[in-house]
Amino acid sequence: EDKVVQSPLSLVVHEGDTVTLNCSYEVTNFRSLLWYKQEKKAPTFLFMLTSSGIEKKSGRLSSILDKKELFSILNITATQTGDSAVYLCADGSSNTGKLIFGQGTTLQVKP
Amino acid sequence: DADVTQTPRNRITKTGKRIMLECSQTKGHDRMYWYRQDPGLGLRLIYYSFDVKDINKGEISDGYSVSRQAQAKFSLSLESAIPNQTALYFCATSEAGTGGRNEQFFGPGTRLTVL
Repeated sequence: EDKVVQSPLSLVVHEGDTVTLNCSYEVTNFRSLLWYKQEKKAPTFLFMLTSSGIEKKSGRLSSILDKKELFSILNITATQTGDSAVYLCADGSSNTGKLIFGQGTTLQVKP
Repeated sequence: DADVTQTPRNRITKTGKRIMLECSQTKGHDRMYWYRQDPGLGLRLIYYSFDVKDINKGEISDGYSVSRQAQAKFSLSLESAIPNQTALYFCATSEAGTGGRNEQFFGPGTRLTVL
């Protein structure tokens, strides 16, 4: 059974810190892994990583995919209070279009 | 206007009541999904639909039913609500034929409380 596991489950940092969120996956026929940010409402898309696109960056956020070790990390540098959210990782490989989510990491950034 | 809308946004009901949550989308996507979110468990798939005539169970479909009334509308029903169905419910859409690159677009969520 395909599975996605995130760690840590929660994290508290101070503004300006750098954080690394982890996502490991066990997926047959892997094709994509997605990161979403959820701030008390709908998850919003951050990145999609695939076999042909293993590194993505947008401003202070970046993500890499390690296809050999079957994990991805989401890095946030110079954190701000607005980065406080739940970060969700999901496998998007299924032909049905469905996503398999990890448990999420709750990040709190204190002033 | 939002591409994916859900109604109601909040609902409190009693055990045994029938509840319907509705989802509409203007993205023109064929595929629609219903998830529930519980603290510490991420999002779990309840049902999904490829088109009006193609509906499939997800990992936690027991106690739920769905109806795809049109390409743009997908509703979720709890025939007899129970307290452990208290959760945040999300509708999502995606394009068909993405070859395993399944970006989904989420509605704002419905917070359901069953007393």
